[in-house]
Amino acid sequence: NAGVMQNPRHLVRRRGQEARLRCSPMKGHSHVYWYRQLPEEGLKFMVYLQKENIIDESGMPKERFSAEFPKEGPSILRIQQVVRGDSAAYFCASSPNRGNYGYTFGSGTRLTVV
Amino acid sequence: GQQLNQSPQSMFIQEGEDVSMNCTSSSIFNTWLWYKQDPGEGPVLLIALYKAGELTSNGRLTAQFGTTRKDSFLNISASIPSDVGIYFCAGQGKNNNNDMRFGAGTRLTVKP
Repeated sequence: NAGVMQNPRHLVRRRGQEARLRCSPMKGHSHVYWYRQLPEEGLKFMVYLQKENIIDESGMPKERFSAEFPKEGPSILRIQQVVRGDSAAYFCASSPNRGNYGYTFGSGTRLTVV
Repeated sequence: GQQLNQSPQSMFIQEGEDVSMNCTSSSIFNTWLWYKQDPGEGPVLLIALYKAGELTSNGRLTAQFGTTRKDSFLNISASIPSDVGIYFCAGQGKNNNNDMRFGAGTRLTVKP
C-alpha cells in the first residue's frame, strides 16, 4: 500500500553538479506533477506529466531543468549544473486521471546545494 | 498568473480555541482545496470544494467555496496540539492544464 514514493529524501550537491530526483506515483496513477517549495513559501507548480508525455511545463525554468515520465520506471526531475538558488524541497504528486483534484503528495526531496 | 493571497500568515492559539483562515484570488477558480503540511512531509489533502457556495465539513474542519469563486475559508473548531502545522489553500482554474496554485500558507501553533 505504497503512497507516492520520492527518493532520495535528502540530496546534497555541490554547485555545478547534477541532481536527479525520482518519483514513483501511487499504484494506478498515471498523472504526475512536480512542485517546488522554497522555505517559508507555498508550493510552486513546475511540470505535469503523463506516461511518456509532458502535458504542461509552464512552471519549469527555461534552462537546466528537465522532467520525464517513461513508460517503465519512476518520473525523474533533473537539474543540471545546480546553483545555490536551486536549494528547495521538491514535491511530486500523482492522480489517477485528468481532472481528479485530490492529488496525493510524496514526502519530498530536500535539495541542498553547497 | 493566478495569484492566491492567504491569511493570516501565522497564528498562535490556545488549545480549545477555534481557528479561521482564508484565501482570496485575483481570478475565478473552479476548485478550492485545503491541505495541511507537517514538518518534513508533503501536503495532505483535508477538504476539496467543487461548487460555488459549497460548505463541507471533515470532522472539526469546515471549509467553504465563496460564492464569487474568488475566495475560500477554512475553520478549525476546538483546536488540539496535533493541529499544529502549515495549512495551504490551493485553487484550480479554468485552464486545460492540471496545475494547482497554492497560497503561501498559514502556520498554526497550538499551545497546550
